[in-house]
Amino acid sequence: GENVEQHPSTLSVQEGDSAVIKCTYSDSASNYFPWYKQELGKRPQLIIDIRSNVGEKKDQRIAVTLNKTAKHFSLHITETQPEDSAVYFCAASTGRRALTFGSGTRLQVQP
Amino acid sequence: DGGITQSPKYLFRKEGQNVTLSCEQNLNHDAMYWYRQDPGQGLRLIYYSQIVNDFQKGDIAEGYSVSREKKESFPLTVTSAQKNPTAFYLCASSADRRQETQYFGPGTRLLVL
Repeated sequence: GENVEQHPSTLSVQEGDSAVIKCTYSDSASNYFPWYKQELGKRPQLIIDIRSNVGEKKDQRIAVTLNKTAKHFSLHITETQPEDSAVYFCAASTGRRALTFGSGTRLQVQP
Repeated sequence: DGGITQSPKYLFRKEGQNVTLSCEQNLNHDAMYWYRQDPGQGLRLIYYSQIVNDFQKGDIAEGYSVSREKKESFPLTVTSAQKNPTAFYLCASSADRRQETQYFGPGTRLLVL
């Protein structure tokens, strides 16, 4: 089955800096890649997603890039703010089964 | 995701006891899922259902059971066979069988007495 690896497990940046989180997946049939943000004790919330026919997608300060050849995708957050502090999860899906999640990255933005 | 509810928010289980976690959605979504989240870890799939009266095992189904008698409801039973049930349980749903964009409920935290 699909395996998704996520790095780093923790990331600390200064407010205003950029943050990058990377994920690799194993199943070349995967065609949908969402990113979720989870604040402490809360439910995961979808923040951005990308499909395999697109190489990059942006939404204000958040962007996701996909490299199908290398089977990896990344989340980029620019101009980080303290409210960006949370755990971020990547996921992948072939459309035949439920999402497979990465292990999460705890992002801390230092004011 | 506001259309997915889970109850209770906290649940305590005694040794040898079965407990049932509720998940309801009013989004008219076909597919529903149950995940387990342990402290500092990712989400692991327990069971999922693509349509009423049908469900499949996920990666960690042992010690759990589900039913899908109604489109809106997908309850999870944690049986006494699950020896380490303490975790945060998240229910999710997606619009169709392609099981793509998933929306999560607020979660149930299960603790063992």
